[in-house]
This record gives sequence, C-alpha cells and structure tokens, in this order.
Amino acid sequence: AQSVTQLGSHVSVSEGALVLLRCNYSSSVPPYLFWYVQYPNQGLQLLLKYTTGATLVKGINGFEAEFKKSETSFHLTKPSAHMSDAAEYFCAVNAGNNRKLIWGLGTSLAVNP
Amino acid sequence: KAGVTQTPRYLIKTRGQQVTLSCSPISGHRSVSWYQQTPGQGLQFLFEYFSETQRNKGNFPGRFSGRQFSNSRSEMNVSTLELGDSALYLCASSSGTGRPEAFFGQGTRLTVV
Repeated sequence: AQSVTQLGSHVSVSEGALVLLRCNYSSSVPPYLFWYVQYPNQGLQLLLKYTTGATLVKGINGFEAEFKKSETSFHLTKPSAHMSDAAEYFCAVNAGNNRKLIWGLGTSLAVNP
Repeated sequence: KAGVTQTPRYLIKTRGQQVTLSCSPISGHRSVSWYQQTPGQGLQFLFEYFSETQRNKGNFPGRFSGRQFSNSRSEMNVSTLELGDSALYLCASSSGTGRPEAFFGQGTRLTVV
C-alpha cells in the first residue's frame, strides 16, 4: 500500500531563510509525486510534480523538490523564504493500479519577519 | 481555460438536513474526485468519478453520495447532516488517463449548526 509521511506538522522560518519541508513516501511501484500549496479557505494549487526523468524538479514561486528513490523522499525546498510563502503544504503520491492520490497530513509553514 | 468551479462557496445547514454540492471540472477532464478537509484530519478522500462511473471510494458512511453527469460535472450529496460534517469540501479535476496531476476548486465551506 502507498503512504505519505510529512515530517513536522508546523515549520517556522525567518524571512530570507531556507525553507525545507520533508516528505517520505512508500510505494511498491514507481510513484508520481506532487507538492501542493493551500492558502486559507482556498483550494490546493499544484506547486510541482515528479513523474519520470530528471529527479530535481522546479515549480512555481521558486520552489523545487528532489526525488530520491534510495531514501524514498521528495523534500520541498526554497532558498529564501518570503512572507507570502506562509501557507499549508501537502505532499501526495499517485501510484498503484488505480492511480489514486494518497496525501500527507500537511505542513503549516509560518514565515517570521 | 477555465479552472475547476465549485458552488456554492459557503453553506450553512441545520442538523438533519441534506445538502448538494456541485463541481464543474476543467474542460476535457473526465475524472472528478471529492475530498473532505477538517483541521487536524488532512484531506480525506470521499470518492472519484470517471466517465459517470464511481471508480474509487473512500471510507465514508452511505450518507455521502455522489454522481457525475455526461458533461463531467459532478455533484455530491450529504443526507441527514451531522455537526461533524462541517468541513471544507474540495473537488479535484484530472484527465483520468495519462497526466496524473489534479486541479482543485476553491472548495465549499459547509457549516452544520
């Protein structure tokens, strides 16, 4: 069975500091991996995705993530946090015959001035 | 290209009533998935419809039901509302074949009083 674990339900960084949000997954087949962002009372917006090919993927708003098969990880990073990055971030894996999205519980990112 | 449209955005209902939520997917998308989001519970998968057929189902009671029309628009219905049904209900649209990413609507905030 597929699963997703996001380490840290709350992460706080200073403006300008590195953002690192952790995601580990389990999957018996090659996974598709996603990061989504959610602002208050809004739907989820796709930040970036990994399907095949290059393991370092770049997304919107300066975010990127690296697929590491050996570590079963897909951590999200951004070199310099901005106040507007404060939001909830969700990692998801899409694998298996039914290709259903499996979600992590989310990480709330706070950015301090 | 228009995004995913959910109506209404906000809804207040009384315990015991029923409610119907609507979702219009991105044009050309044939898959619609529904999620319930509550604080601390993350995204809970309700069901997925593809070409008018329920393709996947989560672990929700039979009070939660859905359907999809020939134009891919989907509705979900909750009967005999309970206080615990208060949540943000999110609809996600995807092609259903090929490209795996999902695109979300802004959600319907349901409050049961």
